[in-house]
Amino acid sequence: DAGVIQSPRHEVTEMGQEVTLRCKPISGHNSLFWYRQTMMRGLELLIYFNNNVPIDDSGMPEDRFSAKMPNASFSTLKIQPSEPRDSAVYFCASSSVNYGYTFGSGTRLTVV
Amino acid sequence: AQTVTQSQPEMSVQEAETVTLSCTYDTSENNYYLFWYKQPPSRQMILVIRQEAYKQQNATENRFSVNFQKAAKSFSLKISDSQLGDTAMYFCAFRGYGQNFVFGPGTRLSVLP
Repeated sequence: DAGVIQSPRHEVTEMGQEVTLRCKPISGHNSLFWYRQTMMRGLELLIYFNNNVPIDDSGMPEDRFSAKMPNASFSTLKIQPSEPRDSAVYFCASSSVNYGYTFGSGTRLTVV
Repeated sequence: AQTVTQSQPEMSVQEAETVTLSCTYDTSENNYYLFWYKQPPSRQMILVIRQEAYKQQNATENRFSVNFQKAAKSFSLKISDSQLGDTAMYFCAFRGYGQNFVFGPGTRLSVLP
């Protein structure tokens, strides 16, 4: 099992540009989570999906952020337009019901 | 709402010594799960140990063990024979039945040679 796969590992973009982060969960896991980690705020849950359906997106900071899960093996987190304050490490995690998360390696986003 | 507290922002320990990281949580639920995650400088989040609330026996994984006190809502992590590779941020996490995780703010552990 390759684990949760995120891409890209690093992303540097200019303010105003669109950014798309990608995640492939572990096969058979029915829940997928997007987190953002910063020094100031720690780990913040942005959105999570159960069986490809968004359940709670209350953590999504603003309308500039959107997430999709078109099928059980793929999810995207999009920021449009990006701003410097979006700079953070973005983690994707997947899990089965009531078990621990398996995290991806994260995407370090820098918006200049 | 559930909350998770880690009262030690930073700790250090000498190599080969034992260290205990504290975690307390607040919940009204009876069935839940508790976890410790490790995040080394590589930033990868790694599951260290898991405890089901209905189990009285404390979980153990090699040099890592927990002291789970359900009535006190306490879930501390003990690392025995500390190694340099244990240097990392450690996050305590709570998961209610059928719910997503709540993470604590983390404890930064430094293992000193």
